[in-house]
Formats: sequence, C-alpha cells, structure tokens
Amino acid sequence: EVQLVESGGGLVQPGRSLTLSCAASEFTFIHYYMAWVRQAPKKGLEWVATISTSGTTTYYPDSVRGRFTISRDNAKSSLSLQMNSLKSEDTATYYCARRHTRGAFWDYWGQGVMVTVSS
Amino acid sequence: DIQMTQSPASLSASLGETISIECLTSGGISNYLAWYQQKPGKAPQLLIYGGRSLQDGVPSRFSGSGSGTQYSLKISDIQPEDEGIYYCQQGYTYPLTFGSGTKLEIK
Repeated sequence: EVQLVESGGGLVQPGRSLTLSCAASEFTFIHYYMAWVRQAPKKGLEWVATISTSGTTTYYPDSVRGRFTISRDNAKSSLSLQMNSLKSEDTATYYCARRHTRGAFWDYWGQGVMVTVSS
Repeated sequence: DIQMTQSPASLSASLGETISIECLTSGGISNYLAWYQQKPGKAPQLLIYGGRSLQDGVPSRFSGSGSGTQYSLKISDIQPEDEGIYYCQQGYTYPLTFGSGTKLEIK
C-alpha cells in the first residue's frame, strides 16, 4: 500500500522559516510528480506546489511563489517543502500528495502535518 | 486563473437517496476535473478523475459527468459512510484550483 508520511510541522513565528518533509514508500517514487496541498482550519483545500519527476520543474500559486520551495530526493524517496517568510495565513494542515498518472489530480495523500504561524 | 463554483454548499440526504453536486468552472477544462471526499480529521480521497473515471476502489454508487464548464458528481443509494465534504478540482491548468466544498449530511 502506498504510504506518504509527513513530518516537520509545528508552531513558528511570523517571518520565520520551516521545512516539511514527506517520506514515500511502496511505489516507484521517481515515476511520479508530487505535490503539497494545504487546508487552513475549517477551510477548503488549496494547492501549494508541484514538482516534476526529475525535480527540474516546479509550479506554485501566487500566494506562495518566492517564499516556498518544493524539492525532492529521488534516491531517498522523499519530498520537502521549504517555507520562508511565513505569514499567519500560512497556518494550515499540509498534505503531501502523489499526482495521478492520468492528470493533475492526487490519488494518494499523507495524513497531514499542522503548521501554525503565530507570535 | 480558473475559478470553481461548487453548489450546493450543504445538503442533507436520507439513506438510499440519490443526490448531485455541481461544479461550474470559469473556463473550459476539457474534463480535467476531479472529485474528492473528505471526512473529519482525514485527508481527502480521490473519487473521480477525468470528469467521469472512477478511481480504483471507489464504489460504483459514485459517478461523474459533464463537459466544458459544467460538471457534476452523483451519489446513488446514499450510505451512512458517504457523510463528509466533497470538493471538485480542476487539473487543466496552473494554478490548480478547488471548489469551496459541499457538506453532505445523512439524515
């Protein structure tokens, strides 16, 4: 069974940085685009970042572009999200997700990790 | 950006009933549309992709249809475990965007 396990969340002050990690297993990681999707408390889902199989191409929405960086280590089957200049509106549960082979949808998700940005 | 307008925001259904949830997009997305179910405290689960393709393991009570800018999710023979929030999402162009969600309550 595909497994995605996030880690690295916690409480961080505004303006500081935090890095999330996602450990992938039970599938051939290098074959799949990967992504981060977040959900603010009691709110809907928001796509945060996508990375290509090789890691050479990345995509971000305007809300995080220039502050967040997605990366991957195919040798370790791991995904990361470096978050800089954090704002209170970045407070959310962050999910690591595997992109479906048939399009930019997500067929497997991690359990999520909470990030709280507050002074 | 493609805006996703999902309706209704909430609905209540009885066991065995059939319901539909609608998703309108601000531009054509060529069936690059997915539906997810999310239960409290859990990650979303993919139900439908490509507008109408059923994800492996999802009961056939769930079906998707639509084209262009109008899509819908139908749930037939509603069961207690169908309670949750349903989201549509377009995978046609970046930025990838979601609908605001539909909360389904089982009476």
